[in-house]
Amino acid sequence: QQQVKQSPQSLIVQKGGISIINCAYENTAFDYFPWYQQFPGKGPALLIAIRPDVSEKKEGRFTISFNKSAKQFSLHIMDSQPGDSATYFCAASPGGGYSTLTFGKGTMLLVSP
Amino acid sequence: EAQVTQNPRYLITVTGKKLTVTCSQNMNHEYMSWYRQDPGLGLRQIYYSMNVEVTDKGDVPEGYKVSRKEKRNFPLILESPSPNQTSLYFCASRGVGGSGNTIYFGEGSWLTVV
Repeated sequence: QQQVKQSPQSLIVQKGGISIINCAYENTAFDYFPWYQQFPGKGPALLIAIRPDVSEKKEGRFTISFNKSAKQFSLHIMDSQPGDSATYFCAASPGGGYSTLTFGKGTMLLVSP
Repeated sequence: EAQVTQNPRYLITVTGKKLTVTCSQNMNHEYMSWYRQDPGLGLRQIYYSMNVEVTDKGDVPEGYKVSRKEKRNFPLILESPSPNQTSLYFCASRGVGGSGNTIYFGEGSWLTVV
């Protein structure tokens, strides 16, 4: 049973465009929703995270939008750059992030110059 | 510098030959975990440990063993590797209870079992 569904599997965006990756979850006990960024040959690294008491969190060009009633959250990358080309994983966890993270299957993003 | 260090980074081995992938972290983290990453399947947790001598199964523990004798180390043991364990493995760590919930990953270990 996949508890966090991520789409699309892959995404090609032109430089300067907006990249959007979506995730949906089922477990209502989840209360911590991070996004991880992974470059080729590297381990995933935390990009941005949100808790369900807010509907949006922005850090630079990266924004998480959160819809608690729909049990969905998404990552928006504004003004996408070739350096943003990476695999992005959404994840969810109960216990404020101090319990096991369940990851989505990942999205390979390619930003074309 | 905060680090999770895995060794070896690359390994080709034969079916049935026991191997150990080591993991060490320098952040004094209580929680450590192993994941495997496979195309189309994302990151799946193998085992985790909440502290020394405390380990528990993740989603895909079959064929793996772990031990946590010291806080900084969390080795992954494949007693009799099989080709379906060919994968990219990540060790990870984080603090507990208010000390920061960010998970830090190592750089990965590519394992091929022939």
